[in-house]
Amino acid sequence: AQSVTQLDSHVSVSEGTPVLLRCNYSSSYSPSLFWYVQHPNKGLQLLLKYTSAATLVKGINGFEAEFKKSETSFHLTKPSAHMSDAAEYFCVVSDLRSGGGADGLTFGKGTHLIIQP
Amino acid sequence: DTAVSQTPKYLVTQMGNDKSIKCEQNLGHDTMYWYKQDSKKFLKIMFSYNNKELIINETVPNRFSPKSPDKAHLNLHINSLELGDSAVYFCASSLRAGRASGELFFGEGSRLTVL
Repeated sequence: AQSVTQLDSHVSVSEGTPVLLRCNYSSSYSPSLFWYVQHPNKGLQLLLKYTSAATLVKGINGFEAEFKKSETSFHLTKPSAHMSDAAEYFCVVSDLRSGGGADGLTFGKGTHLIIQP
Repeated sequence: DTAVSQTPKYLVTQMGNDKSIKCEQNLGHDTMYWYKQDSKKFLKIMFSYNNKELIINETVPNRFSPKSPDKAHLNLHINSLELGDSAVYFCASSLRAGRASGELFFGEGSRLTVL
């Protein structure tokens, strides 16, 4: 079975400071991992994905994430937060062989990112 | 041009009514999905569907039924609405089945309020 844990339900940072959103996963096999962003009253948008290529993955809007198998982590980072980054962020794991739901995916419960001016 | 579009964006109705939400994708994708997002932002898959296979999440009541007139459309029909059905419903699509890709394109959501 697969699972994903987003360690913080809320993260608050000041504009211009670094962002760290933490995600740990559990999977019996080599997973694919994703981060999605949801701005207020909008649908989810793919930020970046890891699919067993380079462990450091760069995404849109200056975000990146590093896959660390030994730590079973896939934390999302950004060097400098912008007001427009305020949103809900979801970590997602996909393991073709370990199930998941009708979509084969397991979503984390989300981290709400607050940007202070 | 919107890739995945849903209508209506807002829907307010009484308990016991039947309602539908429509979804269309113009990406040429093979698979479409319906998700339910509750008030705590928790996202749960309801259905995945392509022209060969419907996969239903076992927790979805049979009052919910997907209807697909063609590959580009997947509508959600809900019978006998209950208070607990109040949520935001998202349609999504992917090039192939979700298990193989994980890369989904979402609509902007339909907020359903049952009174």
